[in-house]
Amino acid sequence: DIQMTQSPSTLSASVGDRVTITCRASQSISSWLAWYQQKPGKAPKLLIYKASSLESGVPSRFSGSGSGTEFTLTISSLQPDDFATYYCQQYNSYPVAFGQGTKLEIK
Amino acid sequence: EVQLLESGGGLVQPGGSLRLSCAASGFTFSSYAMSWVRQAPGKGLEWVSAISGSGGSTYYADSVKGRFTISRDNSKNTLYLQMNSLRAEDTAVYYCAKIKGRGIAVAPGCVDVWGQGTTVTVSS
Repeated sequence: DIQMTQSPSTLSASVGDRVTITCRASQSISSWLAWYQQKPGKAPKLLIYKASSLESGVPSRFSGSGSGTEFTLTISSLQPDDFATYYCQQYNSYPVAFGQGTKLEIK
Repeated sequence: EVQLLESGGGLVQPGGSLRLSCAASGFTFSSYAMSWVRQAPGKGLEWVSAISGSGGSTYYADSVKGRFTISRDNSKNTLYLQMNSLRAEDTAVYYCAKIKGRGIAVAPGCVDVWGQGTTVTVSS
């Protein structure tokens, strides 16, 4: 089974900062990687699919990159609404797997 | 508007059973694979199971294999999760999820639409 590891687990940043979250797969998943944002008590929201494709309606300050085993989610200029937990997910093969999450906190 | 509405959660004793339902609307249900994803209190997301659009292919996490059964009724636009032999570690919010396809019917996908979740608590 493919394991997904995110870093860091927690990230403190300020409004306007550029932040990057990393996700590593235990074996190659090509570009079959998604990123989600989740706020407390809410369902996750799809941000990025196929490693770098922006889901419809998602602000362009979110971007994804990578292929193979290493991927990044970048938020170019943090907005107050962006403080949340972020998850990566591989969907190259079953069983599908999520990373453990990165909590983005206000500094 | 695309919507997924889960029901069927509740409190159940260890060893008991529960069936979750997910009513879908706003899209051609039979054209999309569907999935269940759960989240234990204070924990991350865990994929549970998936089913192809036709219902002919099903997939399970090792943690639920042999105990949970995913199914769908395309005539009713409804997804199900039959959960048997429930354990304390199955306590979680269970989300119904619509899969954003890759163009291959039996390939896994990511989730572009989530339900609001239904809470399952396994406790004596």
